[in-house]
Order: sequence, then structure tokens, then C-alpha cells
Amino acid sequence: AQKITQTQPGMFVQEKEAVTLDCTYDTSDPSYGLFWYKQPSSGEMIFLIYQGSYDQQNATEGRYSLNFQKARKSANLVISASQLGDSAMYFCAIRIQGGSEKLVFGKGMKLTVNP
Amino acid sequence: DAGITQSPRHKVTETGTPVTLRCHQTENHRYMYWYRQDPGHGLRLIHYSYGVKDTDKGEVSDGYSVSRSKTEDFLLTLESATSSQTSVYFCATPAGGRPGELFFGEGSRLTVL
Repeated sequence: AQKITQTQPGMFVQEKEAVTLDCTYDTSDPSYGLFWYKQPSSGEMIFLIYQGSYDQQNATEGRYSLNFQKARKSANLVISASQLGDSAMYFCAIRIQGGSEKLVFGKGMKLTVNP
Repeated sequence: DAGITQSPRHKVTETGTPVTLRCHQTENHRYMYWYRQDPGHGLRLIHYSYGVKDTDKGEVSDGYSVSRSKTEDFLLTLESATSSQTSVYFCATPAGGRPGELFFGEGSRLTVL
């Protein structure tokens, strides 16, 4: 079964610094997709970035990049130049192969950006 | 973007009472999903639907049932609510972007006393 592990319950970072949020995954399927979602205190789930298992390059979306290390089964999210608005819960997720397109989520981690 | 409306957004109920949460989508998606979110557990899939009258269980389906009589509506029912079902419930549909990307509703906060 697919599994996502996020071991950091919480992190603190100074505004304008970069921060890396860890995510490791487990799957036996050679085709999969990895996602990061952000959940601010208002509660909505916001898609941040996607990495396909066959993608040759690491995904980037503005200040977000994904450090994808396939052999290590890790998909760490890097946020450059942190902003106060980045304070939120962050969830890593993996797409289960097949027609149902289900996502399996990690437990999440809380990022706090200090001024 | 997909349009999802969840109702009610907040509900307080008592143990043993039935509760139905509604998810309404406007984008004619075939797939719809119900997740629950609890501290320390992230989001966990309860049930999903792949078409009208076609549903399947997720990893935490015990105590829940679903129905989909129309493409746009996916109902989640707690036949007899328990305190362990106190949670935030999210409905989701495909976002139409990357494979597997989901768009989530705003969530329904349920408290079972």
C-alpha cells in the first residue's frame, strides 16, 4: 500500500529565509504522482506543486520547488524566501495508480514563519 | 477552477443521531471524494464515487455510507454519529490539472457531543 511519511511536526523559520519540508513515500508502483498542499489557518486546501515519477526535472512553481530523489523515495518541498503568509500546515500526498485517482496524504507539518 | 459547495459548513449534533453532509459540484466531474481531517492523521479517504450510483470505500469507511443519485451531488451519511466522528470533512473533485490533482471544498466541521 502507498504511504507518506512526514516526520517533522513543526518548524520555525525566519522571514526571507529558505526552508525545506521533508516527505518520504513508499510505493511499489513505478508510476505515481507526488503533491504538496498548503492549509492556512482559514482551513482551505491549496495545491502547491506536483512531481510525476517519470519527470526528469524537479518541479518548480514560483517560490516552491520539489527536491525529488527517486532512489531515496523522498519529495521534499523547498520554499525560498519565506513570507509570513507561508505560515500554515503543509501536506504531502501520493496519487494511487489507477482510475480512481485517489490521494493518500501524510499527517502534515506546521510551518511558522517569524518576522 | 472546480466549484464545490459543502453543506452544512458547521454542525453540532448528539451521539446516536443521523447526520448527512452534502457535496455539490458544478463541473460535471465523474469522480468525487470524501475525506476526513483529524489532528495527527492528515486527511484520510472515507468513500469515493466514480459515477452515479457507483461508489467505493476508502481507508476509514466504517460508520459512514454514501450515495450519489446525481452527478453533481455526493452525500455522506453518518447513520448514528459517535464522538469519534467529530472531525472536519472535505469533499474533493478532480482539479482538471495534473493527474490526480484534487480540488477541495471548504470543509464541514462536525462536532458530535
